[in-house]
Amino acid sequence: AAGVIQSPRHLIKEKRETATLKCYPIPRHDTVYWYQQGPGQDPQFLISFYEKMQSDKGSIPDRFSAQQFSDYHSELNMSSLELGDSALYFCASSSSQWGSYEQYFGPGTRLTVT
Amino acid sequence: GQQVMQIPQYQHVQEGEDFTTYCNSSTTLSNIQWYKQRPGGHPVFLIQLVKSGEVKKQKRLTFQFGEAKKNSSLHITATQTTDVGTYFCAGRRRGGSNYKLTFGKGTLLTVNP
Repeated sequence: AAGVIQSPRHLIKEKRETATLKCYPIPRHDTVYWYQQGPGQDPQFLISFYEKMQSDKGSIPDRFSAQQFSDYHSELNMSSLELGDSALYFCASSSSQWGSYEQYFGPGTRLTVT
Repeated sequence: GQQVMQIPQYQHVQEGEDFTTYCNSSTTLSNIQWYKQRPGGHPVFLIQLVKSGEVKKQKRLTFQFGEAKKNSSLHITATQTTDVGTYFCAGRRRGGSNYKLTFGKGTLLTVNP
C-alpha cells in the first residue's frame, strides 16, 4: 500500500538559511499534518491542512510557513534557520471519510542546522 | 492548554514479562490514539479508542479507555524483543479540533532477551 512520502530524507543547512520540506500524503487522504520531533521527545504538532485549507495551528514558529497544494502535497518552508531547529520533521496524513482521523506518518526529514 | 501525561518514561523488562504504560489527560478527550515508534523509525498507528470504558485487544496488546475519558492504558502481555520501541498516547480534546492531536511524552520500552 502507498505510504506518506517525504523529501528530502536528510537536509543539512547553515544558520540563517532557508529550507523547504515536502510531503506527499497517501492517495485520497484529505488532511496533512506536520510535526517536529527532537531527540528523545514526543512529536510536537506544528500545523495541519484539511482540503488545502489550514485547519489547525500548533507551536509553529513565525519563521515557518506551510501550505497544501491542489494535488494535496504539502510543503513546510523554514526561514532564518536556527540551531534549535535541528530535529526530525514528520508529515502525517489522514482521511476524514470514516471520522477516525488515524494518522499515517511518513519516514521523516532529518534537518541538521550547523 | 491541554496536557497529556504518560508514565513511566522508561521501562526495561525481561522478555516474557508484562508491560503497562499509562496516559492521563488534563481535559476530557473525545478519543485517544496509541502509536508505536521503533528506534530510528516513525510513529505507527496502533489503535483508536472512542467510547467510555472501551477495551480493545490486539493479540498480546490490551488497550483501555477510562470511564471519564481522561485516562488510558496499554498493556502488553509476555513481551517480546519485537515490542521494543516508544509507545505514545495521543489525545483529541472533547469539543476541540478534529485535526489536532496532543501526544504524551511516550514510554520507551526495552526488552532484555
